[in-house]
Amino acid sequence: GAGVSQSPSNKVTEKGKDVELRCDPISGHTALYWYRQRLGQGLEFLIYFQGNSAPDKSGLPSDRFSAERTGESVSTLTIQRTQQEDSAVYLCASSLEVSGSYEQYFGPGTRLTVT
Amino acid sequence: DQQVKQNSPSLSVQEGRISILNCDYTNSMFDYFLWYKKYPAEGPTFLISISSIKDKNEDGRFTVFLNKSAKHLSLHIVPSQPGDSAVYFCAASALGHAGKSTFGDGTTLTVKP
Repeated sequence: GAGVSQSPSNKVTEKGKDVELRCDPISGHTALYWYRQRLGQGLEFLIYFQGNSAPDKSGLPSDRFSAERTGESVSTLTIQRTQQEDSAVYLCASSLEVSGSYEQYFGPGTRLTVT
Repeated sequence: DQQVKQNSPSLSVQEGRISILNCDYTNSMFDYFLWYKKYPAEGPTFLISISSIKDKNEDGRFTVFLNKSAKHLSLHIVPSQPGDSAVYFCAASALGHAGKSTFGDGTTLTVKP
């Protein structure tokens, strides 16, 4: 079956512009997660959704970052007024349920470069 | 503060030998641990997991050991194969905060033929 997909795969944007990153999770997965991976570093948790709700937004780096999920399916991560430090690979994952014991299935990521 | 640490950024082993990847954690509330493997330009893929009620879990060539008192876990790969060359991430989660997995920085494993 289809895995997690993300679009675009690569995005180059100018500092100050807004960007939208999209994630299509595996059908039927109620949990969806966003992570950021800067060059040479580990995965930094950003936010997770249980259904369409995001119970914990404390991982978002600043108020320039926001995310939403609709129809318990597609999710969009929006970064407003991008800065160079936002350059990273943004990874989306989904799992059957919100539980630490459920493995997360990751998409290939969106590589964001802010010039 | 980093709650999950993988202190070895890289590891190189000969094909056929054992690879041991280590992970330390500081949060005693963590009760579930997972290992993921990541190839370049791909997302991480799940490898193996362990609950805090166990001290060992085995799946084929992969075994994860958990030492709760030392807050330490390790992933053993034996025998190592060139296709195992990848970045390995350790992840942990806590009951009640299931949506928030904490990942280590990863260890790059190179298996030489």
